[in-house]
Amino acid sequence: SQQGEEDPQALSIQEGENATMNCSYKTSINNLQWYRQNSGRGLVHLILIRSNEREKHSGRLRVTLDTSKKSSSLLITASRAADTASYFCSGSSGSARQLTFGSGTQLTVLP
Amino acid sequence: ETGVTQTPRHLVMGMTNKKSLKCEQHLGHNAMYWYKQSAKKPLELMFVYNFKEQTENNSVPSRFSPECPNSSHLFLHLHTLQPEDSALYLCASSPKLVGGLSLLYEKLFFGSGTQLSVL
Repeated sequence: SQQGEEDPQALSIQEGENATMNCSYKTSINNLQWYRQNSGRGLVHLILIRSNEREKHSGRLRVTLDTSKKSSSLLITASRAADTASYFCSGSSGSARQLTFGSGTQLTVLP
Repeated sequence: ETGVTQTPRHLVMGMTNKKSLKCEQHLGHNAMYWYKQSAKKPLELMFVYNFKEQTENNSVPSRFSPECPNSSHLFLHLHTLQPEDSALYLCASSPKLVGGLSLLYEKLFFGSGTQLSVL
């Protein structure tokens, strides 16, 4: 089963605005990770949140996790044109088979 | 740079060709992965290797044949592919196999991928 489905599929905002992306998963997890992918490149790890954490910050990134709703959100504050990329989430509960990702959210930040 | 290098970056091949994709990691990791990324579709986990042993094969067609001669190198041998196999093939590594009871918090390091076109 997919352990990470991102929503919305596409998001377009102006530079300086905040961007919020959501992630849902199907089964219980021990941690959830967010990755970023520039066009035609590999994924780069952004942040990991554990199941016993509700919120985590890293620079302009804020991640929340609601295990009761099986959902997570990624907030990018004060967005920049360089934040334009696809963003993916992946939940893990102890099986390599579950290192799966969705189709991502394509974020476009307009200058 | 993530420390994971994939070659070639681009590959065009006919359906009767045989080619190989190469992945090399300089991070001392023990686990390596192949993913397939098609346009508008979720990333697909194809194979997982841990300490050179294959631990996952996600029902991948036999025209894709992985090889892991050591923990630093991973190959994907391609034979008699179909046009629908055109995609970005991503290699990843992690320090240890993500998912063991004591190894739940490790991240994946990805290469830049090989963009494959099958004509």
